[in-house]
Amino acid sequence: SQTIHQWPATLVQPVGSPLSLECTVEGTSNPNLYWYRQAAGRGLQLLFYSVGIGQISSEVPQNLSASRPQDRQFILSSKKLLLSDSGFYLCAWSTPDRGFTGELFFGEGSRLTVL
Amino acid sequence: AQSVSQHNHHVILSEAASLELGCNYSYGGTVNLFWYVQYPGQHLQLLLKYFSGDPLVKGIKGFEAEFIKSKFSFNLRKPSVQWSDTAEYFCAVNALQAAGNKLTFGGGTRVLVKP
Repeated sequence: SQTIHQWPATLVQPVGSPLSLECTVEGTSNPNLYWYRQAAGRGLQLLFYSVGIGQISSEVPQNLSASRPQDRQFILSSKKLLLSDSGFYLCAWSTPDRGFTGELFFGEGSRLTVL
Repeated sequence: AQSVSQHNHHVILSEAASLELGCNYSYGGTVNLFWYVQYPGQHLQLLLKYFSGDPLVKGIKGFEAEFIKSKFSFNLRKPSVQWSDTAEYFCAVNALQAAGNKLTFGGGTRVLVKP
């Protein structure tokens, strides 16, 4: 069966420090991968989307970047965190394009607090 | 761009009461529609989905939703809620021609069921 893991689960970082959140998927090949940010009252905002290694689509301009160095690994990064980067970050995967059902499978989430 | 609106941010009910959560989307083309649920301390998970056919779809745990194309709506209902239905509920849309394999989520509705 497929599983998705995110880490770290909780992170407290000072303003200006770098960030790296990792997400890995097991049990599937060539998944679509997503990074969402969940903010209270504002639902889930899609940040990045990837259909394959090295292929990243950025949905909103921001202080963050994403990379996909391996088929089932998706990394969210920042060189210098801002206070506004605080939030709950969710990684998700879905079946590849031709088999896309619209269903996303979410990880446990990573709560980032920038002080 | 597509958008999804959920009318209520917070709903408080007593057990056995009926629940209806509103969801409207803005996109004139073909859509797939979803309701996701996040129970306290758990992953976001799919509750039900509509792709085509019967506009009244049934999901897990006694939930159902009705797609009304003329109203661009996909409201979620449950005739009699239980305490265990306390959760946050998200409506989501996949605009097939415009958005590829991405979901746009609403702001979420927090539902509290009092025992």
